[in-house]
Amino acid sequence: DAGVTQSPTHLIKTRGQQVTLRCSPISGHKSVSWYQQVLGQGPQFIFQYYEKEERGRGNFPDRFSARQFPNYSSELNVNALLLGDSALYLCASSKTGVGRNTEAFFGQGTRLTVV
Amino acid sequence: GENVEQHPSTLSVQEGDSAVIKCTYSDSASNYFPWYKQELGKRPQLIIDIRSNVGEKKDQRIAVTLNKTAKHFSLHITETQPEDSAVYFCASRDGGATNKLIFGTGTLLAVQP
Repeated sequence: DAGVTQSPTHLIKTRGQQVTLRCSPISGHKSVSWYQQVLGQGPQFIFQYYEKEERGRGNFPDRFSARQFPNYSSELNVNALLLGDSALYLCASSKTGVGRNTEAFFGQGTRLTVV
Repeated sequence: GENVEQHPSTLSVQEGDSAVIKCTYSDSASNYFPWYKQELGKRPQLIIDIRSNVGEKKDQRIAVTLNKTAKHFSLHITETQPEDSAVYFCASRDGGATNKLIFGTGTLLAVQP
């Protein structure tokens, strides 16, 4: 039984570039959320998608965007990368969008380094 | 805005002792409170959670208590073992129409053998 999978695991980009991170949720889960975890801090909410629709957005600039596909996998895009975007990007999978059965299970993350 | 405060930031205990981590949340509409364990370089792992209609929940050596009036919740680990060493995060789910989690700043627990 596969858990949440993210790719790539590590990534190095230069300032100004664009990056796409990918997430496959647990089979049967329809909601995907993205979090940014800066070293030494707790994860910060970026987006939630449920049934391919955006259900929530955190306090991040418009350079951050995401989408969810019909198979419930998701991509997070970040444009015009800044040094401060360096972080661990975590994807969380939940069965539903809100209410019960919304326990969130995290993937191993993508470590993004911007140089 | 919504926030979760977590204390202490570091905690060192002897193997076999108990450890307690405390959190306070601000959003009175929050209804779900998970705890995550994150080992170095690994994913956060859900270890226990509690919903707002319950005051206490226990799973073997781990327990969580919730005081909705005071907006406090705590993690209790008994008979600590070296493998309990990790960073622990509390979180609250916001009371809106999402399952957005608001995380505390984390507690680094070190269990000395």
